[in-house]
Amino acid sequence: EVQLLESGGGLVQPGGSLRLSCAASGFTFSTYAMSWVRQAPGKGLQWVSGISGSGDRTYFADSVKGRFTISRDNSKNTVYLQMNSLRVEDTAVYYCAKFAGPQLQRWYFEYWGQGTLVSVSS
Amino acid sequence: QTVVTQEPSFSVSPGGTVTLTCGLSSGSVSFSSYPSWYQQTPGQAPRTLIYATNVRSSGVPDRFSGSILGNKAALTITGAQAEDESDYYCVVQVDSGSWVFGGGTKLTVL
Repeated sequence: EVQLLESGGGLVQPGGSLRLSCAASGFTFSTYAMSWVRQAPGKGLQWVSGISGSGDRTYFADSVKGRFTISRDNSKNTVYLQMNSLRVEDTAVYYCAKFAGPQLQRWYFEYWGQGTLVSVSS
Repeated sequence: QTVVTQEPSFSVSPGGTVTLTCGLSSGSVSFSSYPSWYQQTPGQAPRTLIYATNVRSSGVPDRFSGSILGNKAALTITGAQAEDESDYYCVVQVDSGSWVFGGGTKLTVL
């Protein structure tokens, strides 16, 4: 059974940093791309970032480019989202999602975690 | 900046048929956009319904189907049931490795 468990959310002040983690199990982690999707309170889903299975390719939404980085440790079956220079508008539940293939191209968001809440407020 | 458009809300009677659409602010959604559809109920994580335009995810009832209608992706529910009352999101690939979600459609079954 595929399981994705996010952690690292919390309350942070504007301009601060936070690192989210997503621990995966139930599949061969290094074979699949992973992604982060967020949902602001009462709003829709927004794709944030993605990383290939090998970790050699990363992608970001324009709204977070230059502030967020994504990485993965295939030995620990974990993907990370480092969030710097946080803004109030980054407040959201952040979902970790497993892609159905090794790259972000052409595949789809196959499995989802339950999410972790990030609140940016002074 | 690419915007993916969806109807904000839709209503269907139990047993009825409804088609939700997913378009682009400029251009067309096609098979090469790899559109997929997700269902979300309040407080829950999204559930994958349809991928690659028209492939049902494992365990999804066959009353859900996907297609391309004109220049949009479409999700059709045939024989809607009360439990289908949810938010529905489409997502398309807009650039190599980059994805954009639509704003979502709130479906009411009554």
